[in-house]
Amino acid sequence: ELQIEESGGGLVKPGGSLRLSCAVSGLTFSDAWVSWVRQAPGKGLEWVGLIKRQADGTVDYGAPVEGRFTISRDDSKNTVFLHMNSLTSEDTAVYYCAHVNTLSGSYFLGQWGQGTLVVVSS
Amino acid sequence: VLTQSPGTLSLSPGERATLSCRTSQSVSSSFLAWYQQTPGQAPRLLIYGTSIRDTGIPDRFSGSGSGTDFTLTISRLEREDFAVYYCHHYGDSLTFGGGTKVDI
Repeated sequence: ELQIEESGGGLVKPGGSLRLSCAVSGLTFSDAWVSWVRQAPGKGLEWVGLIKRQADGTVDYGAPVEGRFTISRDDSKNTVFLHMNSLTSEDTAVYYCAHVNTLSGSYFLGQWGQGTLVVVSS
Repeated sequence: VLTQSPGTLSLSPGERATLSCRTSQSVSSSFLAWYQQTPGQAPRLLIYGTSIRDTGIPDRFSGSGSGTDFTLTISRLEREDFAVYYCHHYGDSLTFGGGTKVDI
């Protein structure tokens, strides 16, 4: 069974940095594509970024975070990381990690973690 | 851009719900999905490829559409269906609609 667990959220001051982790089990992790999606309090879903498998070498970001956030992966630990820099109050959100399913040519976020809360405040 | 309507749908159990998702340009139906989110929970995949129900999703949920107009239909609402629904397109970037809240 595919399982996803985020960790690393917390309170950080404006301008600060934080690293989130996304541990994935139940599949061949080295082939997995993983996406980060966030949700500000009371708001909708916003795409943060996506990392494909290492062999593809592709990492893409949503416009609001490009240049400030970096996604990386450690296949030996079955974990994807979201490195967040220059944080502002607008980055306050629950951050979800999700597996990108590429089943039969349809691409979608098939399984989500429970999320980790990031609060940016002085 | 994905535009969902209505923003809120107020219905009663047993009624039919029709949720709309309109894209700003034509998209492949392979890359259109729907998610359900209840308060305090992570989103859950309902439908992918426009019309394919995920494993375990009841058949009262159905998806349809093509081009720029897509629809999620819940044939007979049950209490656990009152939630927020998001459409999603996997393209050069991943985008979500603003959500439709199905309210009692």
